[in-house]
Amino acid sequence: AQKITQTQPGMFVQEKEAVTLDCTYDTSDQSYGLFWYKQPSSGEMIFLIYQGSYDEQNATEGRYSLNFQKARKSANLVISASQLGDSAMYFCAMREADRGSTLGRLYFGRGTQLTVWP
Amino acid sequence: KAGVTQTPRYLIKTRGQQVTLSCSPISGHRSVSWYQQTPGQGLQFLFEYFSETQRNKGNFPGRFSGRQFSNSRSEMNVSTLELGDSALYLCASSLGSIAGVSDTQYFGPGTRLTVL
Repeated sequence: AQKITQTQPGMFVQEKEAVTLDCTYDTSDQSYGLFWYKQPSSGEMIFLIYQGSYDEQNATEGRYSLNFQKARKSANLVISASQLGDSAMYFCAMREADRGSTLGRLYFGRGTQLTVWP
Repeated sequence: KAGVTQTPRYLIKTRGQQVTLSCSPISGHRSVSWYQQTPGQGLQFLFEYFSETQRNKGNFPGRFSGRQFSNSRSEMNVSTLELGDSALYLCASSLGSIAGVSDTQYFGPGTRLTVL
């Protein structure tokens, strides 16, 4: 079973509009962390935002916010006021509690290609 | 603070050769993880090192190996290259186990390996 599912291969948004990128996850752990990364065409993965499973508030970082719905196991990324420079691939990732077999590992989804048009 | 650096950035090799990729983590980070990214398989975990010890390994053949030095720098080696090894290899560093699930991994720019 996939640990992270991103169902939107591509999304389009007009500049200055908000966009939501979907992410659902699968884990039986009570303690886990959820991450979003941005990968421009240059290839470097850029960390955007983190949400812990025990965090009661949704995480926010500037124009990025994470809509965390624990019961639904979803962790959608919301980008407000999109900019042309936001065009990139976006990955959702999860880290489970430190256990021998999963220590240090991030599980990634397949990504969503976001295109921002003027 | 300097970010994660990877060398070389681009590499072209032929089948059967071997290759060594290098990664220098952010200062103070003790954990280094490696990932392979291909269009077909997406991002796949290779292995993770912490304090010179491999803590975790993904589902890759033994041709893929790595090590970590006392200064936390890491290298990964691929022997007997195959066409399917063509990929972007990403290295990520993090503080290590003390941060638990919130231990954020910061990635380098990657090494793009092409096997002909």
